Amino acid sequence: DSGVTQTPKHLITATGQRVTLRCSPRSGDLSVYWYQQSLDQGLQFLIQYYNGEERAKGNILERFSAQQFPDLHSELNLSSLELGDSALYFCASSVGQTIYEQYFGPGTRLTVT
Amino acid sequence: TQLLEQSPQFLSIQEGENLTVYCNSSSVFSSLQWYRQEPGEGPVLLVTVVTGGEVKKLKRLTFQFGDARKDSSLHITAAQPGDTGLYLCAGLWIYNQGGKLIFGQGTELSVKP
Repeated sequence: DSGVTQTPKHLITATGQRVTLRCSPRSGDLSVYWYQQSLDQGLQFLIQYYNGEERAKGNILERFSAQQFPDLHSELNLSSLELGDSALYFCASSVGQTIYEQYFGPGTRLTVT
Repeated sequence: TQLLEQSPQFLSIQEGENLTVYCNSSSVFSSLQWYRQEPGEGPVLLVTVVTGGEVKKLKRLTFQFGDARKDSSLHITAAQPGDTGLYLCAGLWIYNQGGKLIFGQGTELSVKP
């Protein structure tokens, strides 16, 4: 158990819909990272937040957005969903704003039908 | 664009055999990490190598960072069925007070008893 929690574990929704994935970092960690893992693209970095502020951006689509709240939990919002958005979404956390050691949550499996 | 190429993509061996997984890039990374991921779970950090030429050992696993910090290898001695899983290398690229991890596509290892 990494100490990072993600909900829900599984999510099935239809194309065009909007979903919200939630992540709670390990106690004491200030950075949260979101990743997408699909069979064809592998594990792709989406975005990082540190203490409520966006710190780094990766291959995140404009239809996706994220935020980190004062209690440090984070949400990833995915809208206008397409079949290709089906993937595992992982959240990870680390103590500082520069990754040296990050811990991954168990992931949310999103299926878009 | 930073890219990490892992090889081989798939490896199926018998218990007791040795194996090496390679991770190569044309980019220089601040550090390089190796993760192991089991089905339905998030990646778990095995090791971080920081200095060019660095070698780290974790029981039967030996990790090496290339002198130029562009490549790395993971060597497993006397593989066991419990070593089965997806092995991912990830290069850390730091910028703008943040950073991102660039992941390789992974090596799917199967160790048969």
